[in-house]
Amino acid sequence: GAVVSQHPSRVICKSGTSVKIECRSLDFQATTMFWYRQFPKQSLMLMATSNEGSKATYEQGVEKDKFLINHASLTLSTLTVTSAHPEDSSFYICSALDRDEETQYFGPGTRLLVL
Amino acid sequence: GDSVTQMEGPVTLSEEAFLTINCTYTATGYPSLFWYVQYPGEGLQLLLKATKADDKGSNKGFEATYRKETTSFHLEKGSVQVSDSAVYFCALSDRGGGFKTIFGAGTRLFVKA
Repeated sequence: GAVVSQHPSRVICKSGTSVKIECRSLDFQATTMFWYRQFPKQSLMLMATSNEGSKATYEQGVEKDKFLINHASLTLSTLTVTSAHPEDSSFYICSALDRDEETQYFGPGTRLLVL
Repeated sequence: GDSVTQMEGPVTLSEEAFLTINCTYTATGYPSLFWYVQYPGEGLQLLLKATKADDKGSNKGFEATYRKETTSFHLEKGSVQVSDSAVYFCALSDRGGGFKTIFGAGTRLFVKA
């Protein structure tokens, strides 16, 4: 299957700082990527759909000014958590859509801890 | 809207036991169906998929058949191993929905030696 990477895999930051998470599709071009959040022992919650060259589409209840998404190339999408607070601590997972296979491939996730 | 319902866990089995994890879905369109597996502390890995009715997805001894008449996509494995211990997510994705994936709640599987 296709490979999607995320960086960093784990980050600890102080409250009030911003954190950027990168999602890369390594062996195919992805015009569409998705960002999810997962709380402990729960399913994935879709935060936003990232479209290359255009604005991201956010799900209801997700603050677009808080979670900035940029999809500047066909292989890279970034999620920036701005002015992070402890309640933003979570496991963030991205996926890249392979349109030819109509299948999403997921990154390994980024664990964010805000102190 | 579209939804996925899968059996609650945790499911605890002995090694070499037969596994079934039930999954049913509701969808307005004609979705593709997926099973993903998540090992502790990791992201999701695609386990298998099926894109049309009566298709059988299979991988690593796991199988699931797309049953349109019963709107189901149950996951089965004939003989589980300790290394199969993980959380399994049933999911659907529809072209008409922009390929957004709808996940079930996940089923945690523990396999004892």
